[in-house]
Amino acid sequence: SQQGEEDPQALSIQEGENATMNCSYKTSINNLQWYRQNSGRGLVHLILIRSNEREKHSGRLRVTLDTSKKSSSLLITASRAADTASYFCATVVNFGNEKLTFGTGTRLTIIP
Amino acid sequence: DAGVTQSPTHLIKTRGQHVTLRCSPISGHKSVSWYQQVLGQGPQFIFQYYEKEERGRGNFPDRFSARQFPNYSSELNVNALLLGDSALYLCASSPADTQYFGPGTRLTVL
Repeated sequence: SQQGEEDPQALSIQEGENATMNCSYKTSINNLQWYRQNSGRGLVHLILIRSNEREKHSGRLRVTLDTSKKSSSLLITASRAADTASYFCATVVNFGNEKLTFGTGTRLTIIP
Repeated sequence: DAGVTQSPTHLIKTRGQHVTLRCSPISGHKSVSWYQQVLGQGPQFIFQYYEKEERGRGNFPDRFSARQFPNYSSELNVNALLLGDSALYLCASSPADTQYFGPGTRLTVL
């Protein structure tokens, strides 16, 4: 079963604009991770945020985590055509058990 | 360094057949996990192996089995294939929290 839901399911923006995707999950977690998937192939790890962290940055990516609301957001700034992909959040419930429970994904399209 | 590799890339089988998918983890990674991704959905956890021991199993029938070898490579076996087994099968290896995924094997069951 899916742990979380991403919102929106699909997003189209102009190149250069910022893209924000949201993720909600159901149970307490150890950490939450965001992945990117191009054209139905392998997933690329983007960023990991632990349950005791509220915000994390990596390059043009900013992730926030609100454990009280069981939600996270991924912000991609200054979007590029190469950012076109599906983005998934995934949660890890127990430390030491790396089972990832994925959400349903957001399909991001960057319009040149 | 080489990433996670999976073979074959694509596979077409008919209902009732058996399939074996293979995965080689990143060098030094002792944990391997398998996921099934049906078109339009997020990946679903199938198995995790660490040091050749099964550490976790998802909600999949007994037709699905896996094993990990002394060199940490892994096989996923699916017996008595059903049409619903058509999916992208992803392998991931991990040194700790972060999982590194291979390109996947696209299985089509006719």
